[in-house]
Amino acid sequence: QTVVTQEPSFSVSPGGTVTLTCGLSSGSVSTSFYPSWYQQTPGQAPRTLIYSTNTRSSGVPDRFSGSILGNKAALTITGAHLDDESDYYCVLYLGTGMGVFGGGTKLTVL
Amino acid sequence: EGQMVESGGGFVQPGGSLRLSCAASGITFTSFWMTWVRQAPGKGLEWVANIKSDGSGTYYGDSAKGRFTISRDNAKNSVYLQMNSLRAEDTAVYYCARVRLDYSKGYYYMDVWGRGTTVTVSS
Repeated sequence: QTVVTQEPSFSVSPGGTVTLTCGLSSGSVSTSFYPSWYQQTPGQAPRTLIYSTNTRSSGVPDRFSGSILGNKAALTITGAHLDDESDYYCVLYLGTGMGVFGGGTKLTVL
Repeated sequence: EGQMVESGGGFVQPGGSLRLSCAASGITFTSFWMTWVRQAPGKGLEWVANIKSDGSGTYYGDSAKGRFTISRDNAKNSVYLQMNSLRAEDTAVYYCARVRLDYSKGYYYMDVWGRGTTVTVSS
C-alpha cells in the first residue's frame, strides 16, 4: 500500500521561509503525480493552495509556491504570516482514479 | 459564487447505515468528477471515494471498499455516499468536493469544497 508522507509538524518565525515536503513511502514524487496542496484551519473546510505541482489557485498569495525538490513535492512559504498557522495537506494522484492525501503538517508560526 | 452543501450526517449505531448527500449550486457540476473526503476527530484528511462525471466509474479508498457506495444524479447536481456496516472508526466530518482532472494538462485537484457533515458512529 502506497503511503504519502509529510512532516508531522514544522515551525517558522513570522517573515521567515519554510518548505514542507510530500513524499512516497516507496519511490519518488514527480510532476506525473500532479501534486496539489491544501490549507486547513481548525473547524474549516480545506482551501486549495497549489495544483499541478506549482500553479497557485485563484486568490492565493504569491508567498505560497510549489515545486519538486529532489524526490518529493514541496510547498514553500516565503515571508510567513501569523495567519499561515494551519494544517497543510498534499494530495498525489496515484492513477486509476485514486487521489491520496498525505498525513498533513501542522505549521506553527511564532 | 458556487458552493457545495453536504447533508445527511448524524448519529448511528455500529453496523448501521447512513446516506450522505451533497448538492452543488452556482457551479458547473455535470462535467466534473466528484469526491468524498473525511476527517476523523483530531486526524488528517482521508480520501474516501471518487466518481466520474457521468457516473461510469467509481473508485474507493481502502477504508471504503465493500461498505461505501458513491453515486451521483446529474439532473439534481448532487452526489451521494451510501455508507453501510458503519464502524466507530468511520466517525468523521465528511466533505464533498469537485475534482479537476485533466491528463493532457497535467492536473488532479479539488477546487470547490463543501463545509462538511458530521457522522458519529457509537453505541
